[in-house]
Amino acid sequence: EVQLVQSGAEVRKPGESLKISCKGSGYSFTSYWIAWVRQMPGKGLEWMGIIYPADSDTRYSPSFQGQVTISADKSITTTYLQWSSLKASDTAMYFCARHGSGLDVWGQGTTVTVSS
Amino acid sequence: EIVLTQSPATLSVSPGERATLSCRASQSVSSNLAWYQQKPGQAPRLLIYGASTRATGIPARFSGSGSGTEFTLTISSLQSEDFAVYYCQRYNDWTWTFGQGTKVETK
Repeated sequence: EVQLVQSGAEVRKPGESLKISCKGSGYSFTSYWIAWVRQMPGKGLEWMGIIYPADSDTRYSPSFQGQVTISADKSITTTYLQWSSLKASDTAMYFCARHGSGLDVWGQGTTVTVSS
Repeated sequence: EIVLTQSPATLSVSPGERATLSCRASQSVSSNLAWYQQKPGQAPRLLIYGASTRATGIPARFSGSGSGTEFTLTISSLQSEDFAVYYCQRYNDWTWTFGQGTKVETK
């Protein structure tokens, strides 16, 4: 079964760092781009960026460039989304998704709560 | 950056009726457009890609059309499980964006 499994919910304080993960299985991990998508509480979907795990070629939305880092470790079929200094406004659900024809496989989402 | 504008924001429809959702791009995206369905507490689900191709397992009552800047998602006869939020998304360059969504609710 093709699936993306994301790491569990996180609670952090403003200024702290965080790295969440998305593990792919059931398909050729290095053959598909993986996207990260933010959904703030009660709001719509926002495309953050995308990575090609075969060579870690990464593209960011201008809105998220410099705010987050997307990376991948193909040896363990995992991609990551990380923050060096969280803000309260980073509180959201974060999804990873595989780009086949469209975003055809989605992770279950990781809730990130940033609160003092 | 190309902006996608969806209309209406909310669509009130009775079960069995037809629903027509619109997505307009500020510049041409060719046919590089997808549609997703999202229900509360769930990840989005791909419905349509390439503007008009149904994804695997998607019922035939869902259809997509359009190219360039004007796109439409049609649900021919709404079922109870179709009440949800629908998003369009472009993937024609490396700054992919989503529309703001259309909520389909029961009339």
